[in-house]
This record gives sequence, structure tokens and C-alpha cells, in this order.
Amino acid sequence: DARVTQTPRHKVTEMGQEVTMRCQPILGHNTVFWYRQTMMQGLELLAYFRNRAPLDDSGMPKDRFSAEMPDATLATLKIQPSEPRDSAVYFCASGLVTASNYGYTFGSGTRLTVV
Amino acid sequence: AQSVAQPEDQVNVAEGNPLTVKCTYSVSGNPYLFWYVQYPNRGLQFLLKYITGDNLVKGSYGFEAEFNKSQTSFHLKKPSALVSDSALYFCAVRDSTGRRALTFGSGTRLQVQP
Repeated sequence: DARVTQTPRHKVTEMGQEVTMRCQPILGHNTVFWYRQTMMQGLELLAYFRNRAPLDDSGMPKDRFSAEMPDATLATLKIQPSEPRDSAVYFCASGLVTASNYGYTFGSGTRLTVV
Repeated sequence: AQSVAQPEDQVNVAEGNPLTVKCTYSVSGNPYLFWYVQYPNRGLQFLLKYITGDNLVKGSYGFEAEFNKSQTSFHLKKPSALVSDSALYFCAVRDSTGRRALTFGSGTRLQVQP
């Protein structure tokens, strides 16, 4: 089965450091999402891309977070500088969004701990 | 803006008994509804979706969901629960503005006792 690959699976970093999370969407999918999961807030949409163009990043703290898709096989989410409140599991999901298809596939997530 | 409510943080059921996990939604326009399951330390796995058509939707692992427009509900059901069904279940609604991003409920932990 095709899958969305996220790296790293786990990341522990010190406050103030830059963190980069990577996602390889399923080949042929035209939409990529970044979600954050915490106990308090549940699953929050951070950003999403259609055909590599950013369509919505209103859920993302702009001062420290940035999301990009340098090519069709890679999406990145960066946090600079990181803070303890950024500790969460970050999920990438991809999908081929057409008039008749609404399926999304999630990666296994990156568990980020900022100390 | 669309939203999803899962009123139960946890549902306990004995193995072999039927289970129901509740979900209600709010959305303008036609609702596109989904159920996902999350096992420990794993990503979300798609179970089923309602886009249009029959109100009873069948999905993976023997799960089904009933769409009720008048009650704005989309409850997840299974006739006979398995211990291996124990996991975190999320209901989600697709954005109606065309963004096609999913808005998730807070999740319901299903515990199936042997």
C-alpha cells in the first residue's frame, strides 16, 4: 500500500532550536495537509497545499512556523525558534482531491518534545 | 465555519456486544463526513465516509455509520465489538467552502473489554 512518510518519527530538542519536519506525500496526490495533535487542543489544521501552492496557513503561528513544498515529493514544516508549548505530534496527510474522491492518507506523525 | 462534536470522551463495551460512537456536526451546505481510527503511536486510518447516497455507510473492519440529516448526526456502529477495536476514534467534516480540509472532533476512546 502507498503511504505517507514522515521523518523524523521522534524529535527532542531544546527551547530556541530550529526544528524541521519532513513529509513525503503519496506520489500523484495533489493536496498536502499539516495537522498538530495535542491532548488539550485535539487535531488542529496548521496548513495545507494544493499542487504545491499554499492555500491556507491560518492555523499556524506565523512568527515561528513556516511550511513549504519545494517539490511534489517533499513538504516541510519548520519551527524557529521552538518553544515547550510546541510539543505535540505533527501529522502530514495527502490526498488526491477531485470531484469524486475525498480520501486522505495520514503519515505516522512526528512526535516533537521541546525541553 | 463547520464543527464536529463527539460528546463522549470514552465508550466502554464488552466484547461481542454492539457498539456506538456518537458524532454530531454543524456545516453549511452538504456535509461530507468521515470516521478515522487511531491506534497508539500511529497515524490516523480512514474507516469510512459519507458524501451522498445511502444513509447507512459501510466501511473497514466491519464498521458502519448512519447519517441522519434531521439530527445532524453521523454515529459510528459495529454489530459485535472486538478487543482489537480498542482505539481512539475521530469524526471529521469536510470544509464546505471548498478548502477541502478536514475539521476533526475531539475524539472518543473506545475500550472493549474481554
